[in-house]
Amino acid sequence: RKEVEQDPGPFNVPEGATVAFNCTYSNSASQSFFWYRQDCRKEPKLLMSVYSSGNEDGRFTAQLNRASQYISLLIRDSKLSDSATYLCVVNQLPGTYKYIFGTGTRLKVLA
Amino acid sequence: GAVVSQHPSWVICKSGTSVKIECRSLDFQATTMFWYRQFPKQSLMLMATSNEGSKATYEQGVEKDKFLINHASLTLSTLTVTSAHPEDSSFYICSASHLSPSTDTQYFGPGTRLTVL
Repeated sequence: RKEVEQDPGPFNVPEGATVAFNCTYSNSASQSFFWYRQDCRKEPKLLMSVYSSGNEDGRFTAQLNRASQYISLLIRDSKLSDSATYLCVVNQLPGTYKYIFGTGTRLKVLA
Repeated sequence: GAVVSQHPSWVICKSGTSVKIECRSLDFQATTMFWYRQFPKQSLMLMATSNEGSKATYEQGVEKDKFLINHASLTLSTLTVTSAHPEDSSFYICSASHLSPSTDTQYFGPGTRLTVL
């Protein structure tokens, strides 16, 4: 089983749609969780950290389910500019500051 | 947000040559820098963790004599790919962090695309 697993997609959605991605992780001791966005041939950019209580930033909502070991990202009212690969990132080993990246989920928002 | 730069952004070199990539944190002091490699359609893979003033910690399977890392200051780390071969062609990305018990956020540089002929 991969340490961090994501559906690679692509998810093709029309503008204005709501889309959700899930990511599962294998190590129950993981403490920090993030969603990064990566555009083609560019570096990852932090989208948001994921907290146990869930967090929202504008059209983006992230949630963590520790019991089932998954995190989710919900994007409402999709824009063309949301087209990118969304990377689930887990710091598996507390104190080591070592990120484990998922392979990413590709999103294409269509006009 | 924190800004991290990398130089060069792309490089093409002949097989057998060495290539140095610089990673700089521009507006903060990075106690720790990380070097990643990403092959097409794959996820980022951590190569090594570098702390200022100490030797880098390499991940399993990464040759430390081939990928030389120097972290001489709190704002600069370098990765030298020695005797590069075509299989070293990849997207190399650094990240920097001012790690503390309250934060482990990493900020990524724009990456360096290396092509070895």
